[in-house]
Amino acid sequence: EAGVVQSPRYKIIEKKQPVAFWCNPISGHNTLYWYLQNLGQGPELLIRYENEEAVDDSQLPKDRFSAERLKGVDSTLKIQPAELGDSAVYLCASSLDRDGEQFFGPGTRLTVL
Amino acid sequence: DAKTTQPPSMDCAEGRAANLPCNHSTISGNEYVYWYRQIHSQGPQYIIHGLKNNETNEMASLIITEDRKSSTLILPHATLRDTAVYYCIVRSSSNDYKLSFGAGTTVTVRA
Repeated sequence: EAGVVQSPRYKIIEKKQPVAFWCNPISGHNTLYWYLQNLGQGPELLIRYENEEAVDDSQLPKDRFSAERLKGVDSTLKIQPAELGDSAVYLCASSLDRDGEQFFGPGTRLTVL
Repeated sequence: DAKTTQPPSMDCAEGRAANLPCNHSTISGNEYVYWYRQIHSQGPQYIIHGLKNNETNEMASLIITEDRKSSTLILPHATLRDTAVYYCIVRSSSNDYKLSFGAGTTVTVRA
């Protein structure tokens, strides 16, 4: 069974540029999460989707970050414009439902110059 | 949410058991103890979880004290591939089953 797929794996951009990350969850998983992981720290939740509905986006910096999960399957996370402090690993995870085991993708490592 | 406390790092000899402690003294009755690990350059991986009773699966064993204020994750025969950051997390319906990762314990298995 395929796991959570994320692309790209690495991205280097200059500050003020836009960037987008893509996630394909495990088939049949209704719940999808985006996490941010800074160097040396544990992941922090940015947003959680139940199907296509964002049910917890309290930690998403809405001035520059946006996310969508059209049709309740794939999801994209966008940053516009990127700042130096956005350099981090962006992880996507999915689970059957909100209390299920979360399966994580490999993450996208973003470097903002 | 109940908070967890873990040692920042520990070493373990290959082939020996690795015992990873976690303190969660403010845990409430409906909160589960979860363990995840994160190998370098990979996403976190689920290991095991429990409520009151000890649990065992193919990866590890989880020992929860009777008062539930602490637990120990046991890797019975550590290998070099077990080198990772291990996260102990308390999870429940009261916080919408969120996984709140702390800094974890960096476990280094040495040959």
